[in-house]
Amino acid sequence: DTEVTQTPKHLVMGMTNKKSLKCEQHMGHRAMYWYKQKAKKPPELMFVYSYEKLSINESVPSRFSPECPNSSLLNLHLHALQPEDSALYLCASSQESRGYTFGSGTRLTVV
Amino acid sequence: AQSVTQLDSQVPVFEEAPVELRCNYSSSVSVYLFWYVQYPNQGLQLLLKYLSGSTLVKSINGFEAEFNKSQTSFHLRKPSVHISDTAEYFCAVSRSGGYQKVTFGTGTKLQVIP
Repeated sequence: DTEVTQTPKHLVMGMTNKKSLKCEQHMGHRAMYWYKQKAKKPPELMFVYSYEKLSINESVPSRFSPECPNSSLLNLHLHALQPEDSALYLCASSQESRGYTFGSGTRLTVV
Repeated sequence: AQSVTQLDSQVPVFEEAPVELRCNYSSSVSVYLFWYVQYPNQGLQLLLKYLSGSTLVKSINGFEAEFNKSQTSFHLRKPSVHISDTAEYFCAVSRSGGYQKVTFGTGTKLQVIP
């Protein structure tokens, strides 16, 4: 299995909602990442988990809360988002820094 | 800290013509270099990477890139492009070894014209 699976593919949520994005990989990679990508821009790093521990938080607002339940799963919990948080959210995994495998992303719209 | 520059935001090219997408990086330590491709409404896919060894690296679909340390470049080339190569291409760099932060360039949109 050489894929990173993200669910849901599309999500529309109100500013008072709570939702979660999910990411799963079975390649044995020990690092997993959340990226945010706005239209026509490169991905921006949000969080890095290394060996199931949060190792990098790129000063992301607390309305985004990551969770790594085990070495194969990564969640991103969303609460009280703003319209400007609408973007493509990408999950990735890697073995060391030898290249990422990205999921196809969750297209998030905040209304 | 490292940085990546992709000077060309868009590159139009006719089908079956050659193409070069330019990437320059800046780093004071040894690096890994990557090219990722993103098709519309999809995630990024790793196209090719330089970690060590041979400075010329190739992908399965005909792209190649050459690591040039003296010019701090990692340009992407293809001798003959197809319509299906139309996509956004991102150059990226990280420090070598362990788990390091990856820095992406701003991307180059390759537009193949029939």
